[in-house]
Amino acid sequence: EADIYQTPRYLVIGTGKKITLECSQTMGHDKMYWYQQDPGMELHLIHYSYGVNSTEKGDLSSESTVSRIRTEHFPLTLESARPSHTSQYLCASSADRKDSPLHFGNGTRLTVT
Amino acid sequence: GENVEQHPSTLSVQEGDSAVIKCTYSDSASNYFPWYKQELGKRPQLIIDIRSNVGEKKDQRIAVTLNKTAKHFSLHITETQPEDSAVYFCAARSGGSYIPTFGRGTSLIVHP
Repeated sequence: EADIYQTPRYLVIGTGKKITLECSQTMGHDKMYWYQQDPGMELHLIHYSYGVNSTEKGDLSSESTVSRIRTEHFPLTLESARPSHTSQYLCASSADRKDSPLHFGNGTRLTVT
Repeated sequence: GENVEQHPSTLSVQEGDSAVIKCTYSDSASNYFPWYKQELGKRPQLIIDIRSNVGEKKDQRIAVTLNKTAKHFSLHITETQPEDSAVYFCAARSGGSYIPTFGRGTSLIVHP
């Protein structure tokens, strides 16, 4: 089934660890996004990509980095996790039309101890 | 850039009542306005959207209205049910960008 998948769903790690949050979509979408969201709160755009080899920072300053080597894959990496990174991270994608909605993944809930 | 204001931040209604959530936007070039519903612990999902060439759109118990002159759009839910309880986000997308600007969300609570 065409969808957008995120792994892991939950992650608890210690301070200073390097982590990568995985996001893959099987819808053939060019546009992909990463949002940070505390439960039930605002959606903050931290990274986006318009296609392969295209990545941009979003509105919210983030110490994370992203890559887009393949259309379907848009991983997010934290080089050194800190307790302030504790949050939910939502990946999304959209088709190549400006009136296309976003399709969200189920999210990764990250806790940094 | 675009700025989207969403009100109220919390809305509490009795089952069967109607609920209205309002959003205003700043960029007159915005032409696409989706609404997302996020249930507790789940991902946001599109429930309805409207394009700038349309004034109103309905889908069963939900409807969205758009006033381009006043630059505001609203979500209307009739005959609310407990399963309508969720956080609702409006968004606006300017014609020049693929990036939507989201409102801050409205927590709708429907009491049985």
